[in-house]
Amino acid sequence: GQSLEQPSEVTAVEGAIVQINCTYQTSGFYGLSWYQQHDGGAPTFLSYNALDGLEETGRFSSFLSRSDSYGYLLLQELQMKDSASYFCAARGSGKSTFGDGTTLTVKP
Amino acid sequence: DVKVTQSSRYLVKRTGEKVFLECVQDMDHENMFWYRQDPGLGLRLIYFSYDVKMKEKGDIPEGYSVSREKKERFSLILESASTNQTSMYLCASRTLGDGKNIQYFGAGTRLSVL
Repeated sequence: GQSLEQPSEVTAVEGAIVQINCTYQTSGFYGLSWYQQHDGGAPTFLSYNALDGLEETGRFSSFLSRSDSYGYLLLQELQMKDSASYFCAARGSGKSTFGDGTTLTVKP
Repeated sequence: DVKVTQSSRYLVKRTGEKVFLECVQDMDHENMFWYRQDPGLGLRLIYFSYDVKMKEKGDIPEGYSVSREKKERFSLILESASTNQTSMYLCASRTLGDGKNIQYFGAGTRLSVL
């Protein structure tokens, strides 16, 4: 089976850095993805890690440690528009399993 | 840009009705998925399809069936809708060719079963 754990809520102030952690238990693990979803919107892809290490895309970075079954999403220079839900998703054989999501609230 | 289109944004049906949710993608993606999203429960996979006429059960297939007769279209069928199937339904497509495992989602169909 597959399961993922991520915090349900995180709050930070504008301009700060926030890290959203994700631990997973997945058979036949291929990689870890991150998605952003604004209220009423569709999830949109942010990043994917197949190998250990850090992937950087602008203000967002994602990290994976396969030996620890752990990853995180790092958001820098937070902006109000970053307030959204963030989901990690572990890809196993064919399908991906999503975590329950972390609601990020960015305050002025 | 990849476009995944779901036929309805909002749908209201009665208990016992047969419901069809349609999803079309325009990027010739091999894989397509149906999820339901409920508050606090994230996205749960109902069914997915590797390619035309192929389907695999996801984590919560009970009460649902799917059809993929053409590569661009993946339909979700509720044979006899029940109130516990009231939810947001999201369709997604994916190609494995880019090596990034990106799923592209439609805008979702919010289904209410009365």
